[in-house]
Order: sequence, then structure tokens, then C-alpha cells
Amino acid sequence: DTEVTQTPKHLVMGMTNKKSLKCEQHMGHRAMYWYKQKAKKPPELMFVYSYEKLSINESVPSRFSPECPNSSLLNLHLHALQPEDSALYLCASSPALRGNEQYFGPGTRLTVT
Amino acid sequence: GESVGLHLPTLSVQEGDNSIINCAYSNSASDYFIWYKQESGKGPQFIIDIRSNMDKRQGQRVTVLLNKTVKHLSLQIAATQPGDSAVYFCAENFMDSSYKLIFGSGTRLLVRP
Repeated sequence: DTEVTQTPKHLVMGMTNKKSLKCEQHMGHRAMYWYKQKAKKPPELMFVYSYEKLSINESVPSRFSPECPNSSLLNLHLHALQPEDSALYLCASSPALRGNEQYFGPGTRLTVT
Repeated sequence: GESVGLHLPTLSVQEGDNSIINCAYSNSASDYFIWYKQESGKGPQFIIDIRSNMDKRQGQRVTVLLNKTVKHLSLQIAATQPGDSAVYFCAENFMDSSYKLIFGSGTRLLVRP
């Protein structure tokens, strides 16, 4: 199984809503990532987890809150988002942090109204 | 600053021809490079990688060349097919403590029938 799955595929939320994005991998990878991708732009790193501990936070606003419940799951909790947060949110995993290809999920298309 | 960039935002090729997508990087300490393909509505898909101790690596119909002297990376696609139409990103792994994967700005490949 070389797949990273993400749910939901699409999400529309208001600025006062609370929602969560979910990511799952069963490849035994110990590093997991959240990226944000705007249209016609490359993915931008948001968070990195290594062995279920937050390793990197790229100065992401606190309205985005990551969580890694176990080695296979990664969540991104969303609260009080802004319309400019609308984007494709990608999850990825890799065997370890260093020098390994990252496997990406299909993403969640988020629209904030 | 340090960046990963691409010379051409869009490349149009005839079906059956070879394609070459270029990428420049400025961090001489980077030691791992990846090419990703991203089709519309999908997450980035790993194509091929190369480490800095190599100059060339070949896969199925793809070849990556690394020129460390001029900090240049290229992806060659042989006998380009309509299914190769996508946006291609190069990415580099920094050797600093964060071990981030930094993406270039992307090149769109259009294959003409």
C-alpha cells in the first residue's frame, strides 16, 4: 500500500465554523506533512511531524492546528478561517525526515466563505 | 536568498518528441533533489529523485541530470505522450536542521497531438 488518503475531498466552510481535515497512511512512514497550495503555485510547507511529534511549524497562524494521534494519522483542525485560506491542502508522508521522497495524498479542496 | 526556480513556466511539445524541463537552485548545500508531476485536481506524484553524489539517474522514459557546478537540474522525458501533460515541480532538500523540501515554481508541460 503506497497510498496517502485524505478526507474530505472538498470542504466549504464559513469563517465561524470549526472543521477538521484528515490524512492517513499505512506505509509505516514516520514523517508526515501538511502543505498548502494555491492555484498555479507550488506547495508551501505548513507543518512537519516526525515520530508523532511536531518538528516544524512554518509560522502558520493559530487558526490552523495540527494533530498527530498516531503514526498513521494526521489531522488539521480549522477554526475561524479567512477567505484567503481557501486552497488545496495536501498531506504527505515519508519514511523519515531526511533525504526521502514524500508521497502526497490527493488533497482537500477548501473554500472559506 | 535561497530558491529553487524554473526557467520556463510553460513548455509545449509535439507528441512523440522529447521534453526537457529545467530547474535552477541556489543552495549548494542541498544534497537531494526530486521531480514531481501534478495533474489537475491531484496531488504531486513522485517521478524520480537524485542525490548530490550522482550526475544522472534514469527511470522509465525519464532521466534527471544534476550539474552541481552551475546548480542546475533537468528532467528529460523521452517520447512525450499526452498523459505527460501536467505541471512539473523540482524540489530540493536543504541540509540545514529543518530538512525541509522546498519546491520550485513549476513548469506546465503541454503535449500537442
